[in-house]
This record gives sequence, C-alpha cells and structure tokens, in this order.
Amino acid sequence: EVQLVQSGAEVKKPGESLKISCKGSGYSFTNYWIGWVRQMPGKGLEWMGIIYPGDSDTRYSPSFQGQVTISADKSISTAYLQWSSLKASDTAIYYCAKTWGYSYGSQFDYWGQGTLVTVSS
Amino acid sequence: DIVMTQSPDSLAVSLGERATINCKSSQSVLYSSNDKNYLAWYQQKPGQPPKVLIYWASTRESGVPDRFSGSGSGTDFTLTISSLQAEDVAVYYCQQYYSTPLTFGGGTKVEIK
Repeated sequence: EVQLVQSGAEVKKPGESLKISCKGSGYSFTNYWIGWVRQMPGKGLEWMGIIYPGDSDTRYSPSFQGQVTISADKSISTAYLQWSSLKASDTAIYYCAKTWGYSYGSQFDYWGQGTLVTVSS
Repeated sequence: DIVMTQSPDSLAVSLGERATINCKSSQSVLYSSNDKNYLAWYQQKPGQPPKVLIYWASTRESGVPDRFSGSGSGTDFTLTISSLQAEDVAVYYCQQYYSTPLTFGGGTKVEIK
C-alpha cells in the first residue's frame, strides 16, 4: 500500500527555522516526483515545488523560490521542506504528494495527511 | 506561469441534480505530441487532503464514481457531477501539469441546496 506519512504539527516563533518531513512507502521512492503544496487557513491549494528523489532534481514555483528549500534523502525514502526564518504568513497546512507518472508533468495520485505549521509570537 | 481560473466560486445544487464546474487556463495545456490535456481535477473534503478524481482532463481515477466526469480541451475544461450526492459536498480544484509551476485553480465549493 502506497503511503506518504508527514511529520507532526509544529508551533514556532517568527524568525525560527523549521524542517518538516514526508516519508514514502509501498512504492519505489526514487522513481516518482514528490511535490509540496501549501494551504493557508481557509484558502486554496498552492503548488510550491517538486523534487525527484532519484537525483534531487528540484523545481520551485517563483512564488516560493528563495523562501523555502526542498530536499530528499533517498536512503530513508523521505522528502523535506524547510525554512530558515519563519514568518507569521507561513502559517498553513503543508501537504506532500507523489506524482502518478515518472515525470513531474503528472497528476498527484497519493497525498500525505498534511502538516500544520503555526507561526506566532 | 499558467493561470487557472475556476467558476463559479461556489454553487448549491439539490440532491440528485447536476453540478457543473468550469476551469479555464491562460494558455493551452494540450500537448500536441501525444494529444493529451495536462489537466486534473481534485476533490477536497473538510479536514482531508485532496483526492484526484480526473486526470488527462477526462480519465476517471480508479474507484471514482461514474457520476463524476471531465471534459474539454486546450484552455476550457468542465467537471460535471451528474447526480449530486450528500457525500460530494467538498471543494473542487483543477490543476494543470503542463508546465512548472504546476498551478491550481482557486477552487469551487459545492454545497447542497
């Protein structure tokens, strides 16, 4: 069974750093892209970026380039999303999702359960 | 970036009636070499992650009820729920995966009238 299991909810202060994770199982982790999607409170879905764990090829949305870092450790089938200095506006649910096909040009067929990040002083 | 515009923002439909959601892309998402539209539809219920319903604009994901159908090509697409059921109350999103950034529409909230 394919599963993406994300790390738990986080409460942080502005300026702090954070790294959240997404562990894949039940499929060949290195052969499918993993994307990250933001959902701010009561709002829609925003595509942040995507990584190919096989070689760490990464593409970012211009809206998120320089604001976050996407990485992966294929030895433990885990992708990451990290911030070096959080802002209150980073408060959101963050989802990871895997592509259906081997290309990033593919729909997301499995999603993690989401990680709620709350940034507040 | 390809901008995805959904309409309406919300709609209320009686049980058993048809619901129609539109999605327009700012440029074509039809890839001429394989004649496929790089467009998906997702359903998101409260407190849950999104779930893919339709991909390649009209291919139903395995296990998705056949009351859900997708149509359209190029820049104009439609998701139709032929006979709305109570469990279909959700927000629906279109997404293009033709080029990065792989953008989503703003979402359409479907409720029971």
